[in-house]
Parts: sequence; structure tokens; C-alpha cells
Amino acid sequence: AQTVTQSQPEMSVQEAETVTLSCTYDTSENNYYLFWYKQPPSRQMILVIRQEAYKQQNATENRFSVNFQKAAKSFSLKISDSQLGDTAMYFCAFMKRSGGYQKVTFGTGTKLQVIP
Amino acid sequence: NAGVTQTPKFQVLKTGQSMTLQCAQDMNHEYMSWYRQDPGMGLRLIHYSVGAGITDQGEVPNGYNVSRSTTEDFPLRLLSAAPSQTSVYFCASSPSGQGDEKLFFGSGTQLSVL
Repeated sequence: AQTVTQSQPEMSVQEAETVTLSCTYDTSENNYYLFWYKQPPSRQMILVIRQEAYKQQNATENRFSVNFQKAAKSFSLKISDSQLGDTAMYFCAFMKRSGGYQKVTFGTGTKLQVIP
Repeated sequence: NAGVTQTPKFQVLKTGQSMTLQCAQDMNHEYMSWYRQDPGMGLRLIHYSVGAGITDQGEVPNGYNVSRSTTEDFPLRLLSAAPSQTSVYFCASSPSGQGDEKLFFGSGTQLSVL
């Protein structure tokens, strides 16, 4: 069974600074996807970034980037130029595919507070 | 462009009552799933479906039933509500087999069981 670990329950960062959220996972699979989802106080789950395991290049989306270390099973999220709207819970997630079956495992989340 | 529509947004039940959480998606996704979110535990999979007529249990299925009669709809039924089922429930859908897999979420249902 896959496990996803987010070891930082809460973090804070000054506005305009950079912060890195950690995520490690355990799997014997070789083909899978990794995600970071953001959950603001509105409760909506918003996809931040997606990484395909077979791609060595780290995914980036504007101010968000990941450091994907497949051998170390690490998938950290870097938020640059933090903004007040980045305040949210962030969930790391692992998805494996087996035919039409998708199993997604979530970490327990990191609560990020951006301080003005 | 509705995406995943989940109703109701809030619900209060008494112990022993039954109810159905509705979920519909208009993206023709084959894969649909239900999660519950509890503080400090992330999201846990309740049930999922890989297509119409096909459902299976996830990590925490007890006390819940699902069916998938159409591609669009995937309702979650609470048979006899218990206080332990107080939680936030999310429905999600995902395309499958095209290399673009990712979960699209509904807006969630806050359920309280008294």
C-alpha cells in the first residue's frame, strides 16, 4: 500500500518570501503521478501542480515548482514570492494507475499561513 | 462549464437517519470517487467507480453505499447515520487512460450527525 507523509503540520512565511513544503511517499510502483492540491478556507480543492513519475524534469506552474526526487521518493513544493492568497491547506497526493483503476492516496496536509 | 456538482453543501442529521449525497459531472469522466476529510487525517477514499455499473470499496467503506447507473452520476448513501460520520465529504472525478489523469473535486458537503 502506498503512503504519503507530510511532516510539517503547519508553516508560516512572510509575504513575498519563498517557502518549501515537504512530501515523501512510499511505493513499489514505477509509473505514477504526484500532485499538490490547495484547499483555501472556501474548502474547494484546487490542483496546484502535477508531476508524472516518468518525467525527470520538475514541473512548474508560475510561482509554484516542485523538486521531484524519484529515487528518494520525495516531492516538495516551492512557493516563490508568497502572496496572502496562498494561505491554505496544502495536500500532497500520489496516484497509481492499473488499467482503468486509479488509486489516490493523500497526505495529512500542511497548513500554510502567509503573514503580511 | 459546471465540472463536478455536489449537493447539498451542508447537512445536519440525527443518529439513525439516512440520506444521499449527490454528485454529478459533465466531463464524461470514467473514474469517480468519494472521499471524507477529517482533521489531521487528510482525505480518505470511501468508494470509487471506474465506469457505469462498476463500483468498489475504498479505505473506509463501512456505513456507506454507492451505485453508478450512468457515467454522470455517483451518489453516496448513508444507510444509518452515526456521529462518527460527521465529516466533510468530497466527490471527485478523473479522466482515465489518456495520460491526463488528475482529480477534479466538487465543492464538498459538511455533514454533522447529532
